[in-house]
Amino acid sequence: DAGITQSPRHKVTETGTPVTLRCHQTENHRYMYWYRQDPGHGLRLIHYSYGVKDTDKGEVSDGYSVSRSKTEDFLLTLESATSSQTSVYFCAISVGGIISYNEQFFGPGTRLTVL
Amino acid sequence: KNEVEQSPQNLTAQEGEFITINCSYSVGISALHWLQQHPGGGIVSLFMLSSGKKKHGRLIATINIQEKHSSLHITASHPRDSAVYICAVGGYGGATNKLIFGTGTLLAVQP
Repeated sequence: DAGITQSPRHKVTETGTPVTLRCHQTENHRYMYWYRQDPGHGLRLIHYSYGVKDTDKGEVSDGYSVSRSKTEDFLLTLESATSSQTSVYFCAISVGGIISYNEQFFGPGTRLTVL
Repeated sequence: KNEVEQSPQNLTAQEGEFITINCSYSVGISALHWLQQHPGGGIVSLFMLSSGKKKHGRLIATINIQEKHSSLHITASHPRDSAVYICAVGGYGGATNKLIFGTGTLLAVQP
């Protein structure tokens, strides 16, 4: 599992509240990713990071921000949660370098419900 | 039209059958990944390939770069193979730092 953990694993929150999800890895991989998984859409990239303080947007980044102040931690923040952000969120790392040429390992996922 | 198309979307098989799941994409890529997700479970990488064929146990993945098509085969299928199988492509349109995912094929293998 490449030492990837996510916290919390489940969360129920109310519309308008801020939410932060944490992804932690133990093996100092450079590339980390946040995805959301919704029925009918497959996995979609929210944000990714290619090093400490180096992040970029994915295809569904609106309403989300990220931070990476340490190699091992990649945080995803919903500044003001909306019901459309109810989803399962997966963190992932690519082992060895850039994702196109390297295997990707996923965390166990966080199920977020916004009421 | 999705950039990555998988077929079929749903597949039911009897234990022991040979299974094929297909993935097509529309522009050049650098590599293709096959992933497995069990119900309620995490996502596991099965293969990454950029040409030819790879085999792990009863799983075989092939890719035809010219035809922009990949197949995942399962020989002697077993109920524990029941899962969603996801195809993802890297380097789509030259973007090597991200993957684009298909919507998955839900496989149910009945005993």
